[in-house]
Amino acid sequence: DTAVSQTPKYLVTQMGNDKSIKCEQNLGHDTMYWYKQDSKKFLKIMFSYNNKELIINETVPNRFSPKSPDKAHLNLHINSLELGDSAVYFCASSQERQGATGELFFGEGSRLTVL
Amino acid sequence: AQKITQTQPGMFVQEKEAVTLDCTYDTSDQSYGLFWYKQPSSGEMIFLIYQGSYDEQNATEGRYSLNFQKARKSANLVISASQLGDSAMYFCAMREGPNTGGFKTIFGAGTRLFVKA
Repeated sequence: DTAVSQTPKYLVTQMGNDKSIKCEQNLGHDTMYWYKQDSKKFLKIMFSYNNKELIINETVPNRFSPKSPDKAHLNLHINSLELGDSAVYFCASSQERQGATGELFFGEGSRLTVL
Repeated sequence: AQKITQTQPGMFVQEKEAVTLDCTYDTSDQSYGLFWYKQPSSGEMIFLIYQGSYDEQNATEGRYSLNFQKARKSANLVISASQLGDSAMYFCAMREGPNTGGFKTIFGAGTRLFVKA
């Protein structure tokens, strides 16, 4: 069983469209994240949720809307896609509490290409 | 402000030799964690090693060791006996918090390692 799984793995779409990426973790972790990796491989945190509550929102355009229906799932919906949204989006999870290492477990990534 | 600095965009190492990948960090927190992740060309992110800020001994995991120098705020990764399969992108990362925004893990720009046969 894959610990952190995200779908789809690839998305190719036109500018202006709306798309969603889904993520699920079966590790029992309490915190989930979305990271964006750009073409230069730089990884930037976008959002984190702890037990379904939004904790971190890193000045991401409001075209990006995360949703966490339960602590095992975190989805990302993107409206009105722009060329600059082309990137690999990684979902990750961790157990965040004092004393925990907070190691991130990553999904395989979803490569979004906006044409 | 850049909080994780990896000054080596690319590194070459001969197979079976050791290599050190540099990482410096900046934080005002007393409690933090330092990590190294590997990203092969296939794209997945693989956790390698962790060092807590209060850990007095350097972390080791098989052929990986973390050279932690707290006063210098450096957390270099040492890979011993390099293998061809070590060719990949390596990211240094730091976990801070909890602050008002909870725990956050931020990444350096990465170092691409090439292992030569």
